[in-house]
Amino acid sequence: DSGVTQTPKHLITATGQRVTLRCSPRSGDLSVYWYQQSLDQGLQFLIQYYNGEERAKGNILERFSAQQFPDLHSELNLSSLELGDSALYFCASTPFLEGWGYGYTFGSGTRLTVV
Amino acid sequence: DAKTTQPNSMESNEEEPVHLPCNHSTISGTDYIHWYRQLPSQGPEYVIHGLTSNVNNRMASLAIAEDRKSSTLILHRATLRDAAVYYCILKGSNYKLTFGKGTLLTVNP
Repeated sequence: DSGVTQTPKHLITATGQRVTLRCSPRSGDLSVYWYQQSLDQGLQFLIQYYNGEERAKGNILERFSAQQFPDLHSELNLSSLELGDSALYFCASTPFLEGWGYGYTFGSGTRLTVV
Repeated sequence: DAKTTQPNSMESNEEEPVHLPCNHSTISGTDYIHWYRQLPSQGPEYVIHGLTSNVNNRMASLAIAEDRKSSTLILHRATLRDAAVYYCILKGSNYKLTFGKGTLLTVNP
C-alpha cells in the first residue's frame, strides 16, 4: 500500500457517459497529480493541484476536469466519453508544490473501459 | 523538460547485478535525476533520485557521472520481482514528471 488511494479500481461505462475518479493523497501530501496511461501513449501528465489550487496543466482534454477539495482528496471528471479514453488513470502525490527533491507516490490506478 | 535516452529492453539473470543506463546530455544544473519503475498492472513506484553525488537506498544505487550527462541505476541482486519497466526522468523546476518509454527489464530465473 503506497498510501495513495484511488477508487474505483475498475470502471466500465458506455460512450457518451460521464465518470468521476477519486484520489486520496498520502497523509500530509499537498500536491496531487493525475496521469493517463494508454497502450499507445504511455504515461501522460494531465493536471496538478496544490492545496486546492490548479498549478499545472498537461495534455488534458477539455472534456476532462479535476478539482482538489479542502480535505485534499482530488477528483478527475471525464465526460462525453469516447472509446479512446479507455486507459489507466493514475494519481500521485508529493508533500510540496515543487517536488523535484522528493519522490512521487503513485496510487494503483483506475482502469477505465469505455464500450 | 530535458530528454533522457534509455535502452528499450535489457535482460538479467536472477541474483546477478543489473546496471540500467540512462543518457541525459542536455541536463541542466538544477535537474534532479529520478528513477521510477512500473510493474505490470501497477502504478509507477519511486526507486531513487539524486542530483550530483551517488546515492544508495534499500532498493538500489544511483551512480551519476561526473559531468552529469549520464547515470546508472544499479540493482545489486536482481530478483524476479524486479522485472518491470524502469524510467529515468529529469525533474526540473516545473511541477510534473515526464515519463519516456523506459527500459523493460526481464529477469530470468
